[in-house]
Amino acid sequence: GAVVSQHPSWVICKSGTSVKIECRSLDFQATTMFWYRQFPKQSLMLMATSNEGSKATYEQGVEKDKFLINHASLTLSTLTVTSAHPEDSSFYICSAEARQDWPYGYTFGSGTRLTVV
Amino acid sequence: RKEVEQDPGPFNVPEGATVAFNCTYSNSASQSFFWYRQDCRKEPKLLMSVYSSGNEDGRFTAQLNRASQYISLLIRDSKLSDSATYLCVVLKGGGADGLTFGKGTHLIIQP
Repeated sequence: GAVVSQHPSWVICKSGTSVKIECRSLDFQATTMFWYRQFPKQSLMLMATSNEGSKATYEQGVEKDKFLINHASLTLSTLTVTSAHPEDSSFYICSAEARQDWPYGYTFGSGTRLTVV
Repeated sequence: RKEVEQDPGPFNVPEGATVAFNCTYSNSASQSFFWYRQDCRKEPKLLMSVYSSGNEDGRFTAQLNRASQYISLLIRDSKLSDSATYLCVVLKGGGADGLTFGKGTHLIIQP
């Protein structure tokens, strides 16, 4: 089946620094990728939709200047958390729709656990 | 009303039991429905898609009632390895939309 590779798996950074998370679709092209965030004991919440070759679409309440998304190729989307603060500590997951798989669903990366100290 | 609502549980059931979860969604325009499984501190993994006619995959049966905006998941002959959080997931539109997740139902299978 379709695989989405996400790196790093976890990162600890100091407050005020920036962190980049990569999401790659392996063996398939993903015109659209999605970025989610999950706080403890909460559901996954869609942050933004990443579109190859164009600007990302952000959900209400998500700061586009803080969460920079770049989708420069059909297999790679990156999320950069700029000037991270402790409240940004969360589990970030990307996903892509794998239509070539049936029954298809949305394949998820393994997630990135970000801790800002 | 939340977009996707689930009973968070936890549900504690003995091994071998049959257990069912329910989920309701608020947007009648929703088009696709899924059950995902999420283990602790891991990414969600697709368990099965849900179709109006109902569908079965081994010990798992999913059903959709569009009129009532209700989705169910039935697990028969539960195994210890079924312990996880089960996420009800709805797709509002076509492929350009992200998924809307319920908070999940936590299932614990006891030996």
